[in-house]
Amino acid sequence: DSGVTQTPKHLITATGQRVTLRCSPRSGDLSVYWYQQSLDQGLQFLIQYYNGEERAKGNILERFSAQQFPDLHSELFVSSLELGDSALYFCASNNHRATGELFFGEGARLTVL
Amino acid sequence: SQQGEEDPQALSIQEGENATMNCSYKTSINNLQWYRQNSGRGLVHLILIRSNEREKHSGRLRVTLDTSKKSSSLLITASRAADTASYFCATVRLTGANSKLTFGKGITLSVRP
Repeated sequence: DSGVTQTPKHLITATGQRVTLRCSPRSGDLSVYWYQQSLDQGLQFLIQYYNGEERAKGNILERFSAQQFPDLHSELFVSSLELGDSALYFCASNNHRATGELFFGEGARLTVL
Repeated sequence: SQQGEEDPQALSIQEGENATMNCSYKTSINNLQWYRQNSGRGLVHLILIRSNEREKHSGRLRVTLDTSKKSSSLLITASRAADTASYFCATVRLTGANSKLTFGKGITLSVRP
């Protein structure tokens, strides 16, 4: 158990809809990262938050956004869903004073029909 | 873009044999990490090697780093069927309070009983 919790674990929805994926980082970790993993693209970095502030963003579409709340949990929002958004979405957290080692959640499998 | 490029993309070996996986990267790094992912699960950190280190061991794992060639290798000795998984290298740049990890596309290791 990494200590990172993601909900929901599975989500099936339709094109055009919007989803929210939630992540609770390990206790004490201030940084939260979101990754998308699909078969053809590998593990793609989406966005990073540190203590409530956006710190880095990958090459992501405007339909993807996220937020980190005062209690440090984070939510990833994906709007106007497309078939190609079907993927595993991982949240990871770490301690900024450490070596960058990431602790991953078990992922959220999003299926867009 | 993916900085870490692993090879081979897939590796199939017999139980008891050693498995060697390679990773090449393009820019300077602070450290390099290897992660393991069981099918459909979250990534788990295996081992980290700093840029000023050349070799590191952890149990049946041995990782090497050659910064002049910008390459790393992960050796799993005396492989077991339970080692069957995908393995990712991640290059790490640490900047102040931020850590940027860039993952390769992964190597699929199959260990036949």
